[in-house]
Amino acid sequence: SAVISQKPSRDICQRGTSLTIQCQVDSQVTMMFWYRQQPGQSLTLIATANQGSEATYESGFVIDKFPISRPNLTFSTLTVSNLSPEDSSIYLCSAGREMNTGELFFGEGSRLTVL
Amino acid sequence: SQKIEQNSEALNIQEGKTATLTCNYTNYSPAYLQWYRQDPGRGPVFLLLIRENEKEKRKERLKVTFDTTLKQSLFHITASQPADSATYLCALPSSNTGKLIFGQGTTLQVKP
Repeated sequence: SAVISQKPSRDICQRGTSLTIQCQVDSQVTMMFWYRQQPGQSLTLIATANQGSEATYESGFVIDKFPISRPNLTFSTLTVSNLSPEDSSIYLCSAGREMNTGELFFGEGSRLTVL
Repeated sequence: SQKIEQNSEALNIQEGKTATLTCNYTNYSPAYLQWYRQDPGRGPVFLLLIRENEKEKRKERLKVTFDTTLKQSLFHITASQPADSATYLCALPSSNTGKLIFGQGTTLQVKP
């Protein structure tokens, strides 16, 4: 298994500012992903964090709004930029070892509230 | 477009009974399907994976079936306990990217 630590666990931010979420995995993993989960909703994949290169974004998500870094195999950051109340959500970091069929491990999530 | 459907209504059952949750999908031919458990304020936790050539998979009190003709998976918890109360999510790989797409989840409440 893999243990994923995310911080901050929660934050309240003002409109127009940015928040950076950090994700640390306790062991080397092949894949790292960022998901968003809005209240009462399921998880929506934002992007795949690629080590040493630009992240791969899903439809509806762009780098300018959600810049992602992954400098090594165990660490990634997600920044949510130019915050608006619509960005209020839980952001989840996940990691996996196998490209196909492997289970995903999740962090506890970072709850963002934008005022 | 690809769609995953889970019953959005909460499932309430009595302790000791078997809980059955449903995951239906359309426009998919997934090679496998996964089930996760999510507790309030926590990230999802992997429970089981079932492949397209497997009809049934068991793990302790959990049983998952996978019917590729009906495009449906059933998730059973036998001898349910209040500690089983949580939201259960099914997930399938996207046909385009292979990345996991999650259903909306079904909340199970087991009453003592």
